[in-house]
Amino acid sequence: DAGVTQSPTHLIKTRGQQVTLRCSPKSGHDTVSWYQQALGQGPQFIFQYYEEEERQRGNFPDRFSGHQFPNYSSELNVNALLLGDSALYLCASSLGDQPQHFGDGTRLSIL
Amino acid sequence: KQEVTQIPAALSVPEGENLVLNCSFTDSAIYNLQWFRQDPGKGLTSLLLIQSSQREQTSGRLNASLDKSSGRSTLYIAASQPGDSATYLCAVSPGRGSTLGRLYFGRGTQLTVWP
Repeated sequence: DAGVTQSPTHLIKTRGQQVTLRCSPKSGHDTVSWYQQALGQGPQFIFQYYEEEERQRGNFPDRFSGHQFPNYSSELNVNALLLGDSALYLCASSLGDQPQHFGDGTRLSIL
Repeated sequence: KQEVTQIPAALSVPEGENLVLNCSFTDSAIYNLQWFRQDPGKGLTSLLLIQSSQREQTSGRLNASLDKSSGRSTLYIAASQPGDSATYLCAVSPGRGSTLGRLYFGRGTQLTVWP
């Protein structure tokens, strides 16, 4: 039973570019949450998707957007990349109020 | 706004010691609290989850306690081993409804256990 899978594992972009990160939830899960973890910090909640809608959102600018597909997979899009967007981006999936399962993340580096 | 604090930020101990990691949170209206382990450059592995109605949870050498009224949780690691070296993160879920599933994390405690 595959857990949460994220792609790509590493990504290097330059300032001003746009990036798309992908997440496939654990089998049976219908909710996907995204977190940003800067070096030496705890993960910060970006947003959560359920039934293809953004259900709640953290304190992140509109440059951060997402999508959930009918198969429950999800994408995180970041426009106009800044140096401060360099971080590990974590995807977590869940079902109802059960605990979230995390993927290994995508390491995004902005030059 | 919920804030989570973890003390100490880093800990280095010899193998075999019993350890205590601390977590505090500002809003006691939580749904549950989780302890995670994170290896360098990796994702999060859930170690223990305590529901707001519970006082503690145990798994092997790990024991986590929760005092919701005082906004504190403790992770106790018995007989530490070099393989326990990792960053340990505490996270709280603020409740049901519109905030269901959102986790607030501390910055973590970086643990090093040397042989």
